[in-house]
Amino acid sequence: DIKMTQSPSSVSASVGDSVTITCRASQPITKWLAWYQQKPGRAPKLLIYLTSDLQSGVPSRFSGSGSGTDFTLTISSLQPEDFATYYCQEANSFPSFSFGGGTKVEIK
Amino acid sequence: QLQLQESGPGLVKPSGTLSLTCTVSGGSLSTSDYYWGWLRQPPGKRLEWIGSAYSSGSTYYNPSLKSRVTISMDTSKRQFSLNLTSVAAADTAVYYCAKLRISTAVAVDWGQGTLVTVAS
Repeated sequence: DIKMTQSPSSVSASVGDSVTITCRASQPITKWLAWYQQKPGRAPKLLIYLTSDLQSGVPSRFSGSGSGTDFTLTISSLQPEDFATYYCQEANSFPSFSFGGGTKVEIK
Repeated sequence: QLQLQESGPGLVKPSGTLSLTCTVSGGSLSTSDYYWGWLRQPPGKRLEWIGSAYSSGSTYYNPSLKSRVTISMDTSKRQFSLNLTSVAAADTAVYYCAKLRISTAVAVDWGQGTLVTVAS
């Protein structure tokens, strides 16, 4: 099984700040990495797939990068609606896949 | 616009069977390049993939749950279902159904989720 580790588990930031979240896989997953945003009481929403491709309708302030085992999600110029929990998801052995533990982006 | 809606009991007794149905509106279950899957999220914990099914009838299950899980599809009713047997308190979670895009290996559409509690 591939284990996904996210860091930090939480981060405090202000509107307008840039935030970077890291996801590390326990073994190489090439490009098979996605990011989701989840708000309390809501289903996750797909933001980025294949490491860096933006899902339709997602603002360009969200970007992803990485390869192999280390990946990042960057939110440039945080907006009020961006305060949420973010999860990475690997799919190296799709249809089997797994998620990271989540990073909560809180208002400073 | 595609919508998915979970339905089923919110309370299941220990050792019983958890049964949920996902009804899809605004689209077909027979669409190529998509699986239909179930995921869950225990309170305060990470998301977990349970299993997926393709319109052909092929199914794929999380190895950690495989002995207890069955996913079935009824394309004529635009529904797919989850059965999880021998449940315990650790199976208490919000259960989501989702549409999974095969080519990019992601869940593109989700149901709103339904909380299932395992308790006597």
